[in-house]
Amino acid sequence: SAVISQKPSRDICQRGTSLTIQCQVDSQVTMMFWYRQQPGQSLTLIATANQGSEATYESGFVIDKFPISRPNLTFSTLTVSNMSPEDSSIYLCSVVPGLSSYEQYFGPGTRLTVT
Amino acid sequence: KQEVTQIPAALSVPEGENLVLNCSFTDSAIYNLQWFRQDPGKGLTSLLLIQSSQREQTSGRLNASLDKSSGRSTLYIAASQPGDSATYLCAVISMGGTSYGKLTFGQGTILTVHP
Repeated sequence: SAVISQKPSRDICQRGTSLTIQCQVDSQVTMMFWYRQQPGQSLTLIATANQGSEATYESGFVIDKFPISRPNLTFSTLTVSNMSPEDSSIYLCSVVPGLSSYEQYFGPGTRLTVT
Repeated sequence: KQEVTQIPAALSVPEGENLVLNCSFTDSAIYNLQWFRQDPGKGLTSLLLIQSSQREQTSGRLNASLDKSSGRSTLYIAASQPGDSATYLCAVISMGGTSYGKLTFGQGTILTVHP
């Protein structure tokens, strides 16, 4: 397994600003992902964070809106840019420690409210 | 495109009952299936992982089964307790594609166990 922390745990931001969310893992992991959970909804994958290269985005998500970095095997950031109220969601980081089973573990999430 | 459906959307039972949560998926070419629990405002806790070659997994009072051919999984909870109250999410990892390791989630089943 893996222990994952996210910062901040929650934030209230104004429209038009940007917020960077950090995800830290206690051990090196093979894969890292960012998901969004809109109010009352299930989780949707935003992108796969690739170490040392550009993230792989899912349909409907673009790098200009959600830039992602992954400088090493234990850390990643997600920025939500030029925020609008529609970006109010929980953002979750997840990791796959190894490729034997692809079992995935999630961080506690960042609850973002945009006013 | 993989789609995951969970039935029922909500379930309320008295303490001590045995219960079954259902999950179905449209594309049987999956790598594995994972059941999660989410408490209100929290991240996800992994409950059970079933690899595509397996038929079931057990952990304590939980038992999950997988029938790839019919595209179904069930989560059986024995002797339910109020502490089991949470949202239960089913997710599958599809094989291949550009988003390897990507989880596709169902909408979840909201379980309430009352004393």
